[in-house]
Amino acid sequence: NAGVTQTPKFRVLKTGQSMTLLCAQDMNHEYMYWYRQDPGMGLRLIHYSVGEGTTAKGEVPDGYNVSRLKKQNFLLGLESAAPSQTSVYFCASGGVFGNQPQHFGDGTRLSIL
Amino acid sequence: AQSVSQHNHHVILSEAASLELGCNYSYGGTVNLFWYVQYPGQHLQLLLKYFSGDPLVKGIKGFEAEFIKSKFSFNLRKPSVQWSDTAEYFCAVNAPGAGSYQLTFGKGTKLSVIP
Repeated sequence: NAGVTQTPKFRVLKTGQSMTLLCAQDMNHEYMYWYRQDPGMGLRLIHYSVGEGTTAKGEVPDGYNVSRLKKQNFLLGLESAAPSQTSVYFCASGGVFGNQPQHFGDGTRLSIL
Repeated sequence: AQSVSQHNHHVILSEAASLELGCNYSYGGTVNLFWYVQYPGQHLQLLLKYFSGDPLVKGIKGFEAEFIKSKFSFNLRKPSVQWSDTAEYFCAVNAPGAGSYQLTFGKGTKLSVIP
């Protein structure tokens, strides 16, 4: 039972490079989320999706883009990476009701040099 | 928009000590409340949740939390901690009454349990 799978697990980029983080879930969840986790800051929502083909901005969307072409996948893109985007990125998925918990992936540790 | 405050940044306890981690939220309407735990190097896992009914909820691994609506609080407790409880704990809230299912997280409380 895979749950939420994130790839890659680690990546080092140079400033200005681009990359895409992939999140896949096998629980048929409608909602998917991308968070970043920084020391002392908790988790902050970057973007989220309430269904296939939809995306919306979260608390800290600048510098990121997302796409949800298939229900099970949610991609996070960095077009031009900056050192301030060094972080651990978590993907999560959840059901359509607010009292249903979110399920998290193992995270992607991204360093921007 | 709702916000979540966790008052303790780092708590250090000896094994068998009792634990209480504070969580306060700011939203006057109906809320769903969650506690997540993140063990070192791992992803977040749900400890417990509250959305209605008995304000005292029990979760996994002997944890419980009490929702006190008048205090806007959802404190996490455990009578006797173990070394394996060393982790970071996050309180989170969403407010479906505001049309928002997105979770707002507190900044986390790091718990270190000394054997």
